[in-house]
Amino acid sequence: DTAVSQTPKYLVTQMGNDKSIKCEQNLGHDTMYWYKQDSKKFLKIMFSYNNKELIINETVPNRFSPKSPDKAHLNLHINSLELGDSAVYFCASNTGTGIPGELFFGEGSRLTVL
Amino acid sequence: AQSVTQLGSHVSVSEGALVLLRCNYSSSVPPYLFWYVQYPNQGLQLLLKYTTGATLVKGINGFEAEFKKSETSFHLTKPSAHMSDAAEYFCAVMNRDDKIIFGKGTRLHILP
Repeated sequence: DTAVSQTPKYLVTQMGNDKSIKCEQNLGHDTMYWYKQDSKKFLKIMFSYNNKELIINETVPNRFSPKSPDKAHLNLHINSLELGDSAVYFCASNTGTGIPGELFFGEGSRLTVL
Repeated sequence: AQSVTQLGSHVSVSEGALVLLRCNYSSSVPPYLFWYVQYPNQGLQLLLKYTTGATLVKGINGFEAEFKKSETSFHLTKPSAHMSDAAEYFCAVMNRDDKIIFGKGTRLHILP
């Protein structure tokens, strides 16, 4: 019974294509995140949504567009993929703002752009 | 701005030896501090966290960390390393707007 699930787990695509990664959490959390982990394992926050509302947008190119249809889902759409977009993308959730709760991570979606 | 520095991108210890992974932070307000572990091809999972109260925090798998405000440190320790501890470890700091900033990670290698 996966708490935070991402699909697909692996994605290989050509430069210039558009792709989406989906994330769902069944923990009842209000806040969801997208993180990008590069080849050196550096983990950088991209976006955060609280109850469908965007609260953090970390100078990410506007080719990346998150979408939260409801508080249990946070999808990531990437337009015009570039080589530098190759990374592992992690979805995460926690209980909400102002509470130092733990982040629950999905298993990651490894994106390879050729 | 808050930041986290992990000293040593790779640390090797022998099985049964003490594990010490170093983390220093900078923060203008009392921080919330975390250690996460990432096993190969998996997401991160929480080892332990410091929010308020006791400065020595115990976590899962025998790990603990001590918050030292005077040294702005939150080093992770385990008395006796096990082969299963081999993983990537991330120190993180959380600020009051709920943004969690991660360090660059330390890969822990366990030598037989």
